[in-house]
Formats: sequence, structure tokens, C-alpha cells
Amino acid sequence: EDQVTQSPEALRLQEGESSSLNCSYTVSGLRGLFWYRQDPGKGPEFLFTLYSAGEEKEKERLKATLTKKESFLHITAPKPEDSATYLCAVEGDGNQFYFGTGTSLTVIP
Amino acid sequence: GAGVSQSPRYKVAKRGQDVALRCDPISGHVSLFWYQQALGQGPEFLTYFQNEAQLDKSGLPSDRFFAERPEGSVSTLKIQRTQQEDSAVYLCASSLDTSRKTQYFGPGTRLLVL
Repeated sequence: EDQVTQSPEALRLQEGESSSLNCSYTVSGLRGLFWYRQDPGKGPEFLFTLYSAGEEKEKERLKATLTKKESFLHITAPKPEDSATYLCAVEGDGNQFYFGTGTSLTVIP
Repeated sequence: GAGVSQSPRYKVAKRGQDVALRCDPISGHVSLFWYQQALGQGPEFLTYFQNEAQLDKSGLPSDRFFAERPEGSVSTLKIQRTQQEDSAVYLCASSLDTSRKTQYFGPGTRLLVL
């Protein structure tokens, strides 16, 4: 059964305290793994797309990596403005598309 | 330029009422997607349009849900005889091409059914 599991559900970090968010997935024929950021009351904002195991992408303090079973979103020296819910989604070869339930990140000044 | 807009932003309906939710995608975007996001959950796919053609409606939860995009731009999601379990945020997203590679989401419509 296709599914996407994100952990932890919630994460509180001190400003500057680096950490990683996990997205484990099961899908038939991965066509892409997507990371989004969602602020309260807003729609998800696209961050990254990863297509194959070993791929990495970076944007400011964020780096996303991909293996055959999971993806990590590494946050280096986070700032309070990085506080948001981070969503992972996968697209399979049958055009199925699934989001995880997200990780709620709070960065404390 | 302007992003994806949705209206209304908030809608309160009495159980049994019909509602219509509007999505204005980014101009020129070929693909349009509708998602339903329950509180504390990730978005769940409802339906997909490529221009005016509805190519996938496998996520629509029941025949009370209906979506259209008659001229390949603005889309409307209609829910007939609303029920309490329909309460959620309804998100619209558009994409320049036929892939989900970069979807731009609107702010959503929060529907509360009493």
C-alpha cells in the first residue's frame, strides 16, 4: 500500500540548533519526492523536488536528501522564521500523489 | 505576478446546503489540482484538470463533489448537500505544465459545515 510517513510530528529547536526531519515512503515507481513548507492559514509553498536516490538539493539553511526508502530535510542553524509545518509528498508511476501529515517545526529565539 | 487565488477564504454552511468554491490559477498554467486538507493532516488529492479536461477525479470522496474548469482557466469545486465531515480546507494548485514538478498553491478555502 502506498504511504508517506513523516517524523517527528512536532519539533522544537533553539535558534541555531541544527536537526533533520524524516519522510519515509512506500510507492510504486517513484517519479518524484517533494518538500513543501506550509505556514498557518496559507497553502503549501514548494521547496524541493528529488527524483532519484542519492540526489541532494539545497536552499539557504535547508538541504534535502533522498534514498530508496526515505528523504531527510536537514535544517542548519535554524532561525525563528523557519518555524512552519514541513510537508513531504511523493508521486508514483501511476500518477498517484500522496502527502504526509507533516512535521510542525518551532524555532525558539 | 499574481499567484493562485481562491474565494471565498472562509465559508460556513448549514448541513445540507450546497457550496461552490472558486479557484483562479496563475494565468497560462495548464494544470489545476484540488486538494482537501483536514485539520492536522496533509492535503489529500481530489481531482486534476489539464486545461478544460478533467483527467483524474479519483480522489473525489463521493458523488456530492463535482469540479469543473470549462474554459481551461478558472475552476469551481461544488459540494452538494454538505455534511459535517466535509469541513476542511480546500486547496487549489496550478502548474505551468502537465507535471506536479512545481505546483503553486492558493491560500485555500476553509469550509465549516454546522
